Amino acid sequence: DIQMTQSPSSLSASVGDRVTITCRASQSIIKYLNWYQQKPGKAPKVLIYAASSLQSGVPSRFSGSGSGTDFTLTISSLQPEDFASYYCQQNYRVPLTFGGGTKVEIK
Amino acid sequence: QVQLQESGPGLVKPSQTLSLTCTVSGGSISSGGYYWSWIRQPAGKGLEWIGRIDASGSTTYNSSLESRVTISRDTSKNQFSLNLTSVTAADTAVYYCAGRIITRGFDPWGQGTLVTVSS
Repeated sequence: DIQMTQSPSSLSASVGDRVTITCRASQSIIKYLNWYQQKPGKAPKVLIYAASSLQSGVPSRFSGSGSGTDFTLTISSLQPEDFASYYCQQNYRVPLTFGGGTKVEIK
Repeated sequence: QVQLQESGPGLVKPSQTLSLTCTVSGGSISSGGYYWSWIRQPAGKGLEWIGRIDASGSTTYNSSLESRVTISRDTSKNQFSLNLTSVTAADTAVYYCAGRIITRGFDPWGQGTLVTVSS
């Protein structure tokens, strides 16, 4: 199975901050990497697919980059509604696997 | 707009079978290009992909659960289902159904249903 490792597992930030979350795959997944946002009691919502493509309806302050084994999700200016958990997920090979998550909290 | 809704018992006894159904509206589960998956999330923990069924009815399972999992579909009702046998407390989780277009992320998702395994 392809292991997905996210860092950090949690972070504290302020509104307006630039936030970066990283995801590392245990082997190359080319660009088959998606990012999700999840708020308490809700289903995850896809933000980025194929490493860098912005899902329709998602604000442009979210961006993704990377290829191979190393990927990044960036929030350019953190907004109050962005405090949530974020997960990466690979769909290069089954079983499809998720990272352990990053919880973004208010500083 | 495709929407998904999970249904099924919220409480299952240990050693019994967990059975959930996902009803799809706004699109056909037989449409090419879509995979229909089950994903679960124990309280306070991360997401685990359970398995999927595609438009042709072909299934793929997570090897960690494969011996206990069956995903099936009823095209006449536009539903797909999850059966998980011999459950234990470790299977207690929120279970989501989700659709995915090839090369893209899971979207849409159902709202999730909590299944507790307890006697």
